[in-house]
Amino acid sequence: DIQMTQSPSSLSASVGDRVTITCRASQSISTYLNWYQLKPGRAPKLLIYVASTLQSGVPSRFSGGGSGTHFTLTISSLQPEDFATYYCQQSHTMPVTFGGGTRVDI
Amino acid sequence: VQLTQSGAEVRRPGASVKVSCKVSGYSLAELAIHWVRQAPGKGLDWMGAFDPEDGERIYAQKFQGRVTMTEDTSTDTAYMELSSLGSEDTAVYFCATGGGTIYMDVWGAGTAVIVS
Repeated sequence: DIQMTQSPSSLSASVGDRVTITCRASQSISTYLNWYQLKPGRAPKLLIYVASTLQSGVPSRFSGGGSGTHFTLTISSLQPEDFATYYCQQSHTMPVTFGGGTRVDI
Repeated sequence: VQLTQSGAEVRRPGASVKVSCKVSGYSLAELAIHWVRQAPGKGLDWMGAFDPEDGERIYAQKFQGRVTMTEDTSTDTAYMELSSLGSEDTAVYFCATGGGTIYMDVWGAGTAVIVS
């Protein structure tokens, strides 16, 4: 199985900060990398798919990049509603695998 | 597309549970349905998926032999059954669909399963 490693596992930031989360794959996955936001008691929300395509309705302060084995999710100016846990997920090879998550706290 | 999941369940260890996921606004026959769970304090754990393009069901290794995913296209309802439950199976179970097997942009609200 392809292992997905996120870093950091948690971070503290302030409203207005620029935040970058990294996701590394154990082997090349081209751009088959998606990012999700998860809040307590809610279903996951797709933010970015195929590495850099912004899902409809997601604010433009979210952006994704990378290819191969190294990927990033950037929030350009953190907003109060962005405090959540973020997961990367590869869909290059079955089984689908998720990263361990990055919790973004105030 | 909307996904409506069945309600919370409580099971004894060793029992089985079957969670349903009703599709509306689209035909189940044309959708890849994934099942993902999140145990308390843990991350997202992909359990498996059905891909209608090739008719193949793919299960994560850790659930092989315990999980069965089925689809009833007459009622547009997908099911996930997990057997031999243990306390470690206490989790919220989600069904999801969207971009085939590439990404999941529509999620059910989740079904809490408590094993106790």
